Amino acid sequence: GQNIDQPTEMTATEGAIVQINCTYQTSGFNGLFWYQQHAGEAPTFLSYNVLDGLEEKGRFSSFLSRSKGYSYLLLKELQMKDSASYLCAVRLPMTTDSWGKLQFGAGTQVVVTP
Amino acid sequence: SAVISQKPSRDICQRGTSLTIQCQVDSQVTMMFWYRQQPGQSLTLIATANQGSEATYESGFVIDKFPISRPNLTFSTLTVSNMSPEDSSIYLCSVAGSGGYETQYFGPGTRLLVL
Repeated sequence: GQNIDQPTEMTATEGAIVQINCTYQTSGFNGLFWYQQHAGEAPTFLSYNVLDGLEEKGRFSSFLSRSKGYSYLLLKELQMKDSASYLCAVRLPMTTDSWGKLQFGAGTQVVVTP
Repeated sequence: SAVISQKPSRDICQRGTSLTIQCQVDSQVTMMFWYRQQPGQSLTLIATANQGSEATYESGFVIDKFPISRPNLTFSTLTVSNMSPEDSSIYLCSVAGSGGYETQYFGPGTRLLVL
């Protein structure tokens, strides 16, 4: 089976930094996505890592280690609007009957407090 | 990135009826997918909508319950048939390019409540 684990909830103060970890054990790997999802809304694309290392996009950074089956999303200078669920998703390899579908973790609810 | 719209955005339906959800993309995309997100849960893939051929369904989802059409590279529909309260969920259209390394985007979702 496919296992993608991330913490259920994290709380941090406005202005602080939070790191959301994601570990995965899947039958193959073709990239890892992070999405942000506010309550009642659709997921919004944040990052896509296919090679090892850190990718930075403004206040958000994402890291990948394929050998360790590990990724993290780093949120800096937290703002109240960052309160949301953050979804880690692994893209599985293409097969004859499946095109690289995404397998999602359960999501991490980040609560930003004043 | 692709701009994706879905219709309807939300609906309340009676048990036993069917609802067709439309997904329109502003550019041609290789892959279109339909996901379901039940209350408090993460996303589950229902099927891959294939242009010009039958959709590829995931385990636990069948064509009779969730028929899908994809007449061209910018449009797809998902029908939720013979609905029951357990079908109350958010249904999301998702699109991606080709080559296996394209980012994947989600539409705004259709919030369905079955009474």
